[in-house]
Amino acid sequence: AQRVTQPEKLLSVFKGAPVELKCNYSYSGSPELFWYVQYSRQRLQLLLRHISRESIKGFTADLNKGETSFHLKKPFAQEEDSAMYYCALFSGSARQLTFGSGTQLTVLP
Amino acid sequence: EAGVAQSPRYKIIEKRQSVAFWCNPISGHATLYWYQQILGQGPKLLIQFQNNGVVDDSQLPKDRFSAERLKGVDSTLKIQPAKLEDSAVYLCASSLSFRGNLYEQYFGPGTRLTVT
Repeated sequence: AQRVTQPEKLLSVFKGAPVELKCNYSYSGSPELFWYVQYSRQRLQLLLRHISRESIKGFTADLNKGETSFHLKKPFAQEEDSAMYYCALFSGSARQLTFGSGTQLTVLP
Repeated sequence: EAGVAQSPRYKIIEKRQSVAFWCNPISGHATLYWYQQILGQGPKLLIQFQNNGVVDDSQLPKDRFSAERLKGVDSTLKIQPAKLEDSAVYLCASSLSFRGNLYEQYFGPGTRLTVT
């Protein structure tokens, strides 16, 4: 069965500092991984997906199959990045998303 | 385009009562999902529809939960009877399709259920 682990429930960084939100997964097949974000009082929304290899709002994430990780990174955090971030794994066989428990990021002024 | 709509936004009921949630997906989206999000956890898929057929309901507690998507558009999720552990946010999401790995799920605002 697939599993997604986000070891940090809370993470605080200062504005302008680098930030890394950790995500590890367990899955026997070829993984498709996503990061979703929920800003205060807003809906859960897709931030980025690994197959697109895109950078959204300065965030990037690289799939490391050897370490079974998909960490989210940004070199210079902004206050507007404060939000709840969820890592999610798409299982082709089960055709569903499995979410991690989320990391609440706070960017301090 | 209009987003996924859900109602009600909040509901408080006593245990053993019944409750129903409604979802209207984005127009043209064939796939509809219901998730349960307990405080401090990520969303957990309860049931997934493709048009008006069930694709996956393996994590739906069928002794008390039921869902339908008549006509392949709107959907209703019901709990009867509710238990204290059902207190959670119930999220509805939709996507163009469940096929392939490029689909994107669009989420509604959720319904916060409190069972007392």
